Amino acid sequence: GAVVSQHPSWVICKSGTSVKIECRSLDFQATTMFWYRQFPKQSLMLMATSNEGSKATYEQGVEKDKFLINHASLTLSTLTVTSAHPEDSSFYICSAVTGLRQPQHFGDGTRLSIL
Amino acid sequence: EDQVTQSPEALRLQEGESSSLNCSYTVSGLRGLFWYRQDPGKGPEFLFTLYSAGEEKEKERLKATLTKKESFLHITAPKPEDSATYLCAVQQNDMRFGAGTRLTVKP
Repeated sequence: GAVVSQHPSWVICKSGTSVKIECRSLDFQATTMFWYRQFPKQSLMLMATSNEGSKATYEQGVEKDKFLINHASLTLSTLTVTSAHPEDSSFYICSAVTGLRQPQHFGDGTRLSIL
Repeated sequence: EDQVTQSPEALRLQEGESSSLNCSYTVSGLRGLFWYRQDPGKGPEFLFTLYSAGEEKEKERLKATLTKKESFLHITAPKPEDSATYLCAVQQNDMRFGAGTRLTVKP
């Protein structure tokens, strides 16, 4: 149980392109979903927290107009990197949770490379 | 400032050589401490949740313990397939992750 699917697993695209990443909870309804960014050999950096039907809460320093989050249902959240540039290249990971004090369950991440 | 510190940063063991990974934290009002395993190029895989000091959880060769200041992940007789990065995370109002311990188990 508690499977989170993230798609695509990797993307290579040109600078200026917008890229959408999907995160789905397959066998449970997620009250909250999270988006993280991870640099090589570093830990997870929380970008934003999203709840179904409401606006995402962004961490300090994360541009909300750059990283658009839509949480359309209890099983789907999307992250759109708008007008991506090489510095946006990274490993993006989503997670979902069923409630307070419950563990987050993670997708397998999306490796984004902007040329 | 709330902090989560994992040590060592990297650990190399021979197969069968037991050891422990440490996660120390300064979060007040801990709501939960979580251990995850992360393989290269993958998302973290949930292992354990600990909620109060004195609590212990076990799964195969892994055992997690919790005190008021730190948690240990004990690995008994590790195998090469236990090689991964182990992350701990503490939850107060939000979840804060440590930098992880990269474990390599040599056959």
